Amino acid sequence: AQSVTQLDSHVSVSEGTPVLLRCNYSSSYSPSLFWYVQHPNKGLQLLLKYTSAATLVKGINGFEAEFKKSETSFHLTKPSAHMSDAAEYFCVVSEYSSASKIIFGSGTRLSIRP
Amino acid sequence: EPEVTQTPSHQVTQMGQEVILRCVPISNHLYFYWYRQILGQKVEFLVSFYNNEISEKSEIFDDQFSVERPDGSNFTLKIRSTKLEDSAMYFCASRRGGSTDTQYFGPGTRLTVL
Repeated sequence: AQSVTQLDSHVSVSEGTPVLLRCNYSSSYSPSLFWYVQHPNKGLQLLLKYTSAATLVKGINGFEAEFKKSETSFHLTKPSAHMSDAAEYFCVVSEYSSASKIIFGSGTRLSIRP
Repeated sequence: EPEVTQTPSHQVTQMGQEVILRCVPISNHLYFYWYRQILGQKVEFLVSFYNNEISEKSEIFDDQFSVERPDGSNFTLKIRSTKLEDSAMYFCASRRGGSTDTQYFGPGTRLTVL
């Protein structure tokens, strides 16, 4: 069975400083991995996805993530945080099946200090 | 840009009542999903639907739940007799095809059972 573990439930950074949101996955197959963002009272928006192409994936709003098979990690980073980045971030793995349901991590709440 | 839409945005109902949550997936998508997120908890898979039938369902998706694609555009989730613990945000998602394709989420319906 596939799963994802988000190592931090809450991360707080100052505006203009780097962001690191950590995610480890477990998968028997070569996984498809995603990061979604959820702003308060909003739906889930895709930030980026990895599907066995380049290991460094660039997403929207300056976010990127690196797939590291040896570490089973898919951490999300951004060089400089902006106030508008404050949101809940979910690391997600897609099952390798016809239904291909996706499995969510528990989420990391990102707070940005002025 | 095409998007998944959901109605209503907020539904309040009395325990024991039936509710129908509606979704309009992206028009050329073939796979449809319902997820739910109880307040403060992770997003959980409920059911996947393909070729007019359920392809997979979770333990949560018991006999009180049903899904339907009545007219080729709408995708509905019915809860026959709501319970207090059904209070959650319900997200619809759709995917064009292939296990590596992105699932696109609607904005969600907040269901409150009193």
